[in-house]
Amino acid sequence: GAVVSQHPSWVICKSGTSVKIECRSLDFQATTMFWYRQFPKQSLMLMATSNEGSKATYEQGVEKDKFLINHASLTLSTLTVTSAHPEDSSFYICSARSGTWEQYFGPGTRLTVT
Amino acid sequence: DQQVKQNSPSLSVQEGRISILNCDYTNSMFDYFLWYKKYPAEGPTFLISISSIKDKNEDGRFTVFLNKSAKHLSLHIVPSQPGDSAVYFCAAGIIQGAQKLVFGQGTRLTINP
Repeated sequence: GAVVSQHPSWVICKSGTSVKIECRSLDFQATTMFWYRQFPKQSLMLMATSNEGSKATYEQGVEKDKFLINHASLTLSTLTVTSAHPEDSSFYICSARSGTWEQYFGPGTRLTVT
Repeated sequence: DQQVKQNSPSLSVQEGRISILNCDYTNSMFDYFLWYKKYPAEGPTFLISISSIKDKNEDGRFTVFLNKSAKHLSLHIVPSQPGDSAVYFCAAGIIQGAQKLVFGQGTRLTINP
């Protein structure tokens, strides 16, 4: 149980384009989903917290207009990187929580902006 | 301000021996703690958790110890197996808060045959 999927697993896009990453909880309903970013050899940095049906809460320093988060249902959250630039290249990971305090993570999405 | 710290970036242990990974935190409001295991280019896998009302939690080969007065927790893996080689992250959160997790920097564990 507690499986979280992400799609795509990797994506390459050109500078200036937008990329959407999906996060799905496959076998449970996620009241809350979280989006993280990880730079090489660094820890996971929380970007935002999203609750189903409400606006996401962004961490300090994260541009909400650049990283659009939509938590449309209890099993799906999406992160859209708008007008991507090379500095947005990173490993993006989502996690989901069902009511207990454990978070279950997706496999991550490697974004490369050229 | 690094609220959760894993001061050892790497650890090497002989197969069959005990691996001990350490984690310190500064925020006394944290009341639950988790350990995750991560392979490169994959998401973290939940291993074990502990709430602040306990000082020990055991699950198979994994045991987490919490010392609230020292603001310190540790993960013991015994016996260590080659498949345990990965990066281990500790994380801390506040149950009644926004339930965000704060992660340490990770410790790369290598199990030598």
